[in-house]
Amino acid sequence: EAGVAQSPRYKIIEKRQSVAFWCNPISGHATLYWYQQILGQGPKLLIQFQNNGVVDDSQLPKDRFSAERLKGVDSTLKIQPAKLEDSAVYLCASSLTTRNTEAFFGQGTRLTVV
Amino acid sequence: AQKITQTQPGMFVQEKEAVTLDCTYDTSDQSYGLFWYKQPSSGEMIFLIYQGSYDEQNATEGRYSLNFQKARKSANLVISASQLGDSAMYFCAMTAAGNKLTFGGGTRVLVKP
Repeated sequence: EAGVAQSPRYKIIEKRQSVAFWCNPISGHATLYWYQQILGQGPKLLIQFQNNGVVDDSQLPKDRFSAERLKGVDSTLKIQPAKLEDSAVYLCASSLTTRNTEAFFGQGTRLTVV
Repeated sequence: AQKITQTQPGMFVQEKEAVTLDCTYDTSDQSYGLFWYKQPSSGEMIFLIYQGSYDEQNATEGRYSLNFQKARKSANLVISASQLGDSAMYFCAMTAAGNKLTFGGGTRVLVKP
């Protein structure tokens, strides 16, 4: 079974530029998460999708961050414009619809904003 | 709202000894799930063990066991017979209403030879 795929693995951009991350979840997984993990901290949930609908985006900075999950499969997360404090690893995870099943994580995208 | 607290920022453990990582949680839901993940320096998040709120027995997976004390709202992870490869960050997490997966701040474990 293929795992969660993310790209790119690394990205360096200047502040005020825009960037996009892509995630392909495990086939059949209805729930998709995007997390931001700042160095030395636990992952912080940015947005959660159930199929192609948003379940929770309460911690997404909507003035600069946006995310979509077209057709309930792949997802993209965009930052525009980026700030220095956006430097972090962005993790994508997916899980089955059933509550209380483990989430499977991609390898993440390490973003550095200079 | 749900919340996970891990009070130990870092721990040393001697190889072959056991170590307990603390985790307390808070939720108003009766049905919830508790998870532990391992994150090595390479960055991937590896699922270790799961405990459901209605499970009567503590979960075990190989050298990992979860000490679930529902009344105290704690879900401590016990790693037995520590190995050098156990050196990593460990995160406690939970799901409750809406299947939102929330993480604690993590505990760094360093296994000494």
